[in-house]
Amino acid sequence: EPEVTQTPSHQVTQMGQEVILRCVPISNHLYFYWYRQILGQKVEFLVSFYNNEISEKSEIFDDQFSVERPDGSNFTLKIRSTKLEDSAMYFCASSWASDEQFFGPGTRLTVL
Amino acid sequence: GESVGLHLPTLSVQEGDNSIINCAYSNSASDYFIWYKQESGKGPQFIIDIRSNMDKRQGQRVTVLLNKTVKHLSLQIAATQPGDSAVYFCAENRGSGGSNYKLTFGKGTLLTVNP
Repeated sequence: EPEVTQTPSHQVTQMGQEVILRCVPISNHLYFYWYRQILGQKVEFLVSFYNNEISEKSEIFDDQFSVERPDGSNFTLKIRSTKLEDSAMYFCASSWASDEQFFGPGTRLTVL
Repeated sequence: GESVGLHLPTLSVQEGDNSIINCAYSNSASDYFIWYKQESGKGPQFIIDIRSNMDKRQGQRVTVLLNKTVKHLSLQIAATQPGDSAVYFCAENRGSGGSNYKLTFGKGTLLTVNP
């Protein structure tokens, strides 16, 4: 069964450093998403991406965040200068259309 | 304001019993709802979805009910098993129109199944 994969599973970084979280969506999906989940809280939408551009983003997704689909398989989330409050689980998801979104296992980001 | 929320944060049931997890939403324009299951250390896993033109949908051991009049959604799990223990989230598919869809999640209900 096809699945969304994410690397790394855990990323530890110093405050102010740049991090890149990587995702490989399901191969025939057209829509890609990033969500985050701060420990003990609900999952929050960050950004959606379609046709090589951002289609929607939340207020969390400020200028420190960017997404990219550098090739036909990867989808990345970059945080330019991490803050302590960026510590969370980051989930990538993908969907074929406006329907079921398949989530990856997540990357745990810890900012020290 | 617009929100998707859950009535109860925790639910404890005996193995074999039926479980009912509830969710309220406030945006009457929402047209697609999903239930996700999240086990510890894993990403949300799709369980079942329902569109606003339906009031009931059944899957394997699960049923989702949608009451648009009171903006209420429920997930029923029949013959609950220990493997059903997880956090359950309702999510509202709320996009800006066209093909832009994002999920707005509720807080989650922790379901514990006692053997």
